[in-house]
Amino acid sequence: QITLKESGPTLVKPTQTLTLTCAFSGFSLTTSGVGVGWIRQTPGKALEWLALIYWDDDKRFSPSLKSRLAITKDTSKDQVVLTLTNVDPADTATYYCVHKDETMSFYFDLWGQGALVTVSS
Amino acid sequence: DIQMTQSPSSVSASVGDRVTITCRASQDVSRWLAWYQQKPGKAPQLLIFSTSTLQIGVPSRFSGSGSGTDFTLTISSLQPEDFATYYCQQAISFPTFGGGTKVEMK
Repeated sequence: QITLKESGPTLVKPTQTLTLTCAFSGFSLTTSGVGVGWIRQTPGKALEWLALIYWDDDKRFSPSLKSRLAITKDTSKDQVVLTLTNVDPADTATYYCVHKDETMSFYFDLWGQGALVTVSS
Repeated sequence: DIQMTQSPSSVSASVGDRVTITCRASQDVSRWLAWYQQKPGKAPQLLIFSTSTLQIGVPSRFSGSGSGTDFTLTISSLQPEDFATYYCQQAISFPTFGGGTKVEMK
């Protein structure tokens, strides 16, 4: 059974860096074609894809946020870490960790429960 | 960016009704389109990918169609557990989502 779970701060101040960790189980991020990504949902319920890291360490980023985002993986710990620099109240959202199956393109077949992050001074 | 526009933004329906939701892409996405269902307080769940392929475990009352820029999600006979918000997502380039359609009880 595949599971993903997000962890990180619930409150971040403007201009700080947000670091979120996705701990996953039930699959390996060394399997060809597999990816783990991040999607956020604003309080208004809009969904926005942020980043994806592949089994071979290839990375993809949302063009609008690329300069502020980084994504890394630690296959020994089965974790993926997302960092977002210089946060703003507009970054307040629920952040989801997502799994991309090896047979799919940019489709996300499994999601974590989500982590609510508020950006406020 | 490819913009995804869903309509309607909400629909009121009764159990047993046929419900249709449309999604329009700002440019051709071929058949690279997915639909997700989200219930309150839960993460979205993949229902359909590649326009019409049902994810494992999704009931056959759900179906998807379309190609290019115009797509449709149909629930043939609405069940109580189908009251939720539905999102489309294009997958031909970096993913973008529609604004969602809330299916509410009439």
